[in-house]
Amino acid sequence: SAVISQKPSRDICQRGTSLTIQCQVDSQVTMMFWYRQQPGQSLTLIATANQGSEATYESGFVIDKFPISRPNLTFSTLTVSNMSPEDSSIYLCSVATGEWDEQFFGPGTRLTVL
Amino acid sequence: KQEVTQIPAALSVPEGENLVLNCSFTDSAIYNLQWFRQDPGKGLTSLLLIQSSQREQTSGRLNASLDKSSGRSTLYIAASQPGDSATYLCAVRLSTNYQLIWGAGTKLIIKP
Repeated sequence: SAVISQKPSRDICQRGTSLTIQCQVDSQVTMMFWYRQQPGQSLTLIATANQGSEATYESGFVIDKFPISRPNLTFSTLTVSNMSPEDSSIYLCSVATGEWDEQFFGPGTRLTVL
Repeated sequence: KQEVTQIPAALSVPEGENLVLNCSFTDSAIYNLQWFRQDPGKGLTSLLLIQSSQREQTSGRLNASLDKSSGRSTLYIAASQPGDSATYLCAVRLSTNYQLIWGAGTKLIIKP
């Protein structure tokens, strides 16, 4: 298994500002993922972040809006840029690890944009 | 295109009952299937992972089955407890990449 922590756990931000979310894993993992969960919805994959390469973004998500860093095998950041109220969501990081690539999730960052 | 459906969307049962949550998927070419629980406002906890070659997995009071040919998985919860109240999500991983395709979840309430 993997233990994942995220910072901050929640934040309230003003429109037009940016927030960087940190994700720390207790072991080295190759694959890290960033998800968004809008109120009452299921999870949507934003991007896959591999160490040493550019993140791969899903349809509808772009690097200018959601830049990602992956400096090593235990850490990643997701920035939500130029925020609007539509960005209010829970943002979760996830890793795939183990023999069967089981996915584990962090506790999430609850973002509210005013 | 793979689609994942969970039925029912919500379920409320008295404590102590055994219950079954259902998950169906449209494309049998899956790598694995995972069941998660999510408590309100929290992250996801992985409950069980079933590889495509497996038929079932068990952990404590939980048992998950997989029938690839019919595109179905079930999560069986024995002797339900109020602490089991949560939203249960199933997610299918495709054979070609790491992306998970998610069901919309079943919101479970166990009444004391």
